[in-house]
Amino acid sequence: NAGVTQTPKFRILKIGQSMTLQCTQDMNHNYMYWYRQDPGMGLKLIYYSVGAGITDKGEVPNGYNVSRSTTEDFPLRLELAAPSQTSVYFCASSPAGTFQPQHFGDGTRLSIL
Amino acid sequence: RKEVEQDPGPFNVPEGATVAFNCTYSNSASQSFFWYRQDCRKEPKLLMSVYSSGNEDGRFTAQLNRASQYISLLIRDSKLSDSATYLCVVNLGGNDMRFGAGTRLTVKP
Repeated sequence: NAGVTQTPKFRILKIGQSMTLQCTQDMNHNYMYWYRQDPGMGLKLIYYSVGAGITDKGEVPNGYNVSRSTTEDFPLRLELAAPSQTSVYFCASSPAGTFQPQHFGDGTRLSIL
Repeated sequence: RKEVEQDPGPFNVPEGATVAFNCTYSNSASQSFFWYRQDCRKEPKLLMSVYSSGNEDGRFTAQLNRASQYISLLIRDSKLSDSATYLCVVNLGGNDMRFGAGTRLTVKP
């Protein structure tokens, strides 16, 4: 049972490039989340999804897009990478809503130069 | 007032010590609360949920004080392996889960 799997683990992008961070979970969880964590800071919610076909903005959505075509997958897209998006990105899932804890992937370290 | 606020520390304590962290939150209607542990350069992992009546898991005790709007985490008999950053997580309403910036704990021999 893999839990939440994120790929890639590391990536360096040039300013203006685009990329997709992949996240998949095998626990049949309805809720999925994307966070970013800057050095010395807590996690900030970018986007979340309460089920296939449904997505919603979190605290810091600008510069990102998501989709949720299946229960398992929740990719995060950066269209025009900017240095301010250098961060560690975590994907998480939970069975239902905010009364249940989240299970995290091991993160993607993204640097934009 | 920040929505979720923690003392960043660091807390440096000797092995065997008892240490407590607090986390304050802004929304009096918040209904769910958690403590996570995060090791350096790793993902957060659930330590414990926080229930209204307080709850204990071995050396760890979590409390909720609704009147003063804070949750606490008490660690007894600290171990070297408890060294980590402890994150509180509060539901501010709907699906808005907010993480605190974390409190760093170092347990020394």
